[in-house]
Amino acid sequence: GENVEQHPSTLSVQEGDSAVIKCTYSDSASNYFPWYKQELGKRPQLIIDIRSNVGEKKDQRIAVTLNKTAKHFSLHITETQPEDSAVYFCAASKTNDYKLSFGAGTTVTVRA
Amino acid sequence: GAVVSQHPSRVICKSGTSVKIECRSLDFQATTMFWYRQFPKQSLMLMATSNEGSKATYEQGVEKDKFLINHASLTLSTLTVTSAHPEDSSFYICSARTGQGPYEQYFGPGTRLTVT
Repeated sequence: GENVEQHPSTLSVQEGDSAVIKCTYSDSASNYFPWYKQELGKRPQLIIDIRSNVGEKKDQRIAVTLNKTAKHFSLHITETQPEDSAVYFCAASKTNDYKLSFGAGTTVTVRA
Repeated sequence: GAVVSQHPSRVICKSGTSVKIECRSLDFQATTMFWYRQFPKQSLMLMATSNEGSKATYEQGVEKDKFLINHASLTLSTLTVTSAHPEDSSFYICSARTGQGPYEQYFGPGTRLTVT
């Protein structure tokens, strides 16, 4: 099955700085890569996603890049704010079953 | 749109008893629902995939006789934890696909199960 690895496990940044989280996946058939933000005790919230026919996608302060050849994708958050503090999960899925395989998560702390 | 609810939000039960968790799609018909389990400070682990009117497909290592899943309608799936033990204490989250967009899943708010 699909194996998604995520790094780092924790990330502390100064407010206003950028944060980058990296994930790799094992199954070359995976073609959908969402990123979720989860606050304690809450449901995961989709913040951005990318499909395998696109190399980069941006939504305001958040961007995701995908390198299909290397099988890795990254989340970039610019101009971080305290409300960006949360646990972020990457995931991978493919269209034959739509199952999401999640990375281990990154706890992001934005220092004011 | 695309709202998923879960009930109850939290439940405490005694060891050996069974607990049922409901997952509902409120404003769409869900062709497929997924059940995840999340232990504290860990990731979401897929337990099973549920399609309306058919048997659920369980992930490797998940006991189908312990975690009974029923998807009786296009808006409701239930997870029953049978003979619960303290090690079953976890955060259970469901998600649902609308079947319109090919990829996105909508997550329920989760159910915190504590077995004493």
